[in-house]
Amino acid sequence: KQEVTQIPAALSVPEGENLVLNCSFTDSAIYNLQWFRQDPGKGLTSLLLIQSSQREQTSGRLNASLDKSSGRSTLYIAASQPGDSATYLCAVNRNQFYFGTGTSLTVIP
Amino acid sequence: DTEVTQTPKHLVMGMTNKKSLKCEQHMGHRAMYWYKQKAKKPPELMFVYSYEKLSINESVPSRFSPECPNSSLLNLHLHALQPEDSALYLCASSHIDLISYNEQFFGPGTRLTVL
Repeated sequence: KQEVTQIPAALSVPEGENLVLNCSFTDSAIYNLQWFRQDPGKGLTSLLLIQSSQREQTSGRLNASLDKSSGRSTLYIAASQPGDSATYLCAVNRNQFYFGTGTSLTVIP
Repeated sequence: DTEVTQTPKHLVMGMTNKKSLKCEQHMGHRAMYWYKQKAKKPPELMFVYSYEKLSINESVPSRFSPECPNSSLLNLHLHALQPEDSALYLCASSHIDLISYNEQFFGPGTRLTVL
C-alpha cells in the first residue's frame, strides 16, 4: 500500500521568508501528485497538479517539483505571507488518492 | 464551473436519527468520492463512485450508505451513528478517462456532530 509522509509536521516562519515543504511516497508508480491547502474546518483547495511525466509546476509564488524515482515532491513557497498560514497536504494518485500526513504552516507577521 | 457543493454545512444528530449528506458537481466528472476527516488528520477515503457505480468501499461500517443517483449527485445516508463518527465529511470529484490529468476538486465539507 502506498505510504505518503510529509515533513515537517509543523513549521513557523517570519513573513517574507522562502520555504520548502516535503512529501515522500513509497511507490513510484503514480499517475500524478496534487498539492492542497486546507484552512481550519474547511475543505481542500487544489494548489498544483503535477503529472507523472512532469518535473515541476508553477503557480504564482508556488512551485512544486516531482522526482518519481526517489519518491519525493517539494512545494516551494516564495515570499511567504500571513495569508499562507494553513495546512498543506500532498496526495499521490494511483487508482485512488493517497494523502500525506500534512504540514501545518504558520507565517508570523 | 469548478465548484463542488455540499449540504448541509453543519449537522447535529442523535444516535437514533437518519440523515443524509448531499454533494453536487457540474464539471462533467465521472468519479466522485466521500472522505472522512478527523481533527488534525488527513482525509480518509470512504467510498469511490466511477460512472455512477460503487468502485471502492474502504471497509466502511454499514451505518454509512452511499448513493449516486446520477453523474452530478452523490449522497451519504447516515443511520444509527456513533459519537466517534463525528468528523468533517468531504466530497470530491475528478475525471476518470485522462488518468494523469485527474485533478481532485473538493467541496467545503459537512461538519457532523453525533450526540
